[in-house]
Amino acid sequence: QVQLVQSGAEVKKPGASMQVSCKASGYIFSRYAMHWVRQAPGQRLEWMGWINVGNGNTEYSQKFQGRVTISRNTSASTAYMELSSLASEDTAVYYCARGDYYDPSGSHHHFDYWGQGTLVTVSS
Amino acid sequence: DIQMTQSPSSLSASVGDRVTITCRASQSISKYLNWYQQKPGKAPKFLIYAASRLQRGVPSRFSGSGSGTDFTLTISSLQPEDFATYYCQQSYSSPAYTFGQGTKLEIK
Repeated sequence: QVQLVQSGAEVKKPGASMQVSCKASGYIFSRYAMHWVRQAPGQRLEWMGWINVGNGNTEYSQKFQGRVTISRNTSASTAYMELSSLASEDTAVYYCARGDYYDPSGSHHHFDYWGQGTLVTVSS
Repeated sequence: DIQMTQSPSSLSASVGDRVTITCRASQSISKYLNWYQQKPGKAPKFLIYAASRLQRGVPSRFSGSGSGTDFTLTISSLQPEDFATYYCQQSYSSPAYTFGQGTKLEIK
């Protein structure tokens, strides 16, 4: 069965960087996209960016452009999300989510499997 | 970015009730609308894609409809495990995906 297992909770100081990993199993890693979504306390889900696992191409939300980097290690079936210059507003649960699509364009992804989430707390 | 607005923001209902949640997009998104269920402390669970197509394994009491800017999620007969928060998500504006603010479904 498809599983996405994320790294554990972290506490970071303002200005620091964070990295969350997401290890996939139960499917061919390179055949699906991987997205990252975060959820601040009591807030809606917020899409951050994605990686085409097959070719490594990435796209990011304008909100996080310049601060976020998504990468992958295909031999380890693991995706990574790094966020720099952290502030208290970045305190959130961060999720990886597998992207799939139904139309021939290959765009317009929905997120069919999610990791368990990683709580990142930014506090001085 | 396309704004997604759900109504109501919260809803109280009883087991066996039929409930409908609405999601409105700030511009037409065709049928690129997905629904998720989230329980406290858990990751979202994928329910419906393309506005009305049920993900495998999702009970048939869930259904979706709509196109353009207005969409609905209907649960035909609420079960105890359905009490959760529901989010819509547009996948039209790829890759600038956006979610609704959520609808919290509570037990009356």
